[in-house]
Amino acid sequence: DTVLTQSPALAVSLGQRVTISCKASESVSSSSYSYMHWYQQKPGQQPKLLIYHASNLESGVPARFSGSGSGTDFTLNIDPVEADDIATYFCQQSWNDPLTFGSGTKLEIK
Amino acid sequence: EVQLQESGPGLVKPSQSLSLTCSVTGYSITSNYWGWIRKFPGNKMEWMGYISYSGSTSYNPSLKSRISITRDTSKNQFFLQLNSVTTEDTATYYCARYYYSSYPRYFDYWGQGVMVTVSS
Repeated sequence: DTVLTQSPALAVSLGQRVTISCKASESVSSSSYSYMHWYQQKPGQQPKLLIYHASNLESGVPARFSGSGSGTDFTLNIDPVEADDIATYFCQQSWNDPLTFGSGTKLEIK
Repeated sequence: EVQLQESGPGLVKPSQSLSLTCSVTGYSITSNYWGWIRKFPGNKMEWMGYISYSGSTSYNPSLKSRISITRDTSKNQFFLQLNSVTTEDTATYYCARYYYSSYPRYFDYWGQGVMVTVSS
């Protein structure tokens, strides 16, 4: 299985930029696209798609969110961080079977 | 708007079967793919499987002997059955639309989730 490794938690000040990383144990990119996606989950809510295929912003998601990466290394950026962004962020790959998720990065306020 | 809603018992006894329903509104399940994902206490998330617009299925190999996903197109519902459950199957279960093709390919709509506890 493709293991996706994320840092468990990150502390950030409001208004600052934060980078959340996701490292895959094998490539999740084809020659044309990267099959890595990012979700936000707040307590008691379902996951919400933020970024699909590494860098595409889902409709309705604020432009403060952006994604990048290819191959095995991917990042989700939030700039600037707002109070509403306090949540857990998961990466997920859909290139290799079975589909797998990262363990999540909990964003906390300093 | 696409909406999904899980339903089913919140408590299942060990060795029994877990059965959940996902009711979909705003979109036909005869289009696209429809999946089940679960989140364990402690945050780990696991893709369980999906059913396609045509009724074909794909399952996580870790569950392959215990899982079945079926559907009722007349009610626009799909179902999860997980057999021989243990306490390790205690989790929040989500259904989601899997927007699937060669590209793109991601979960874009999710249900609210249902917490299932396996306990005697």
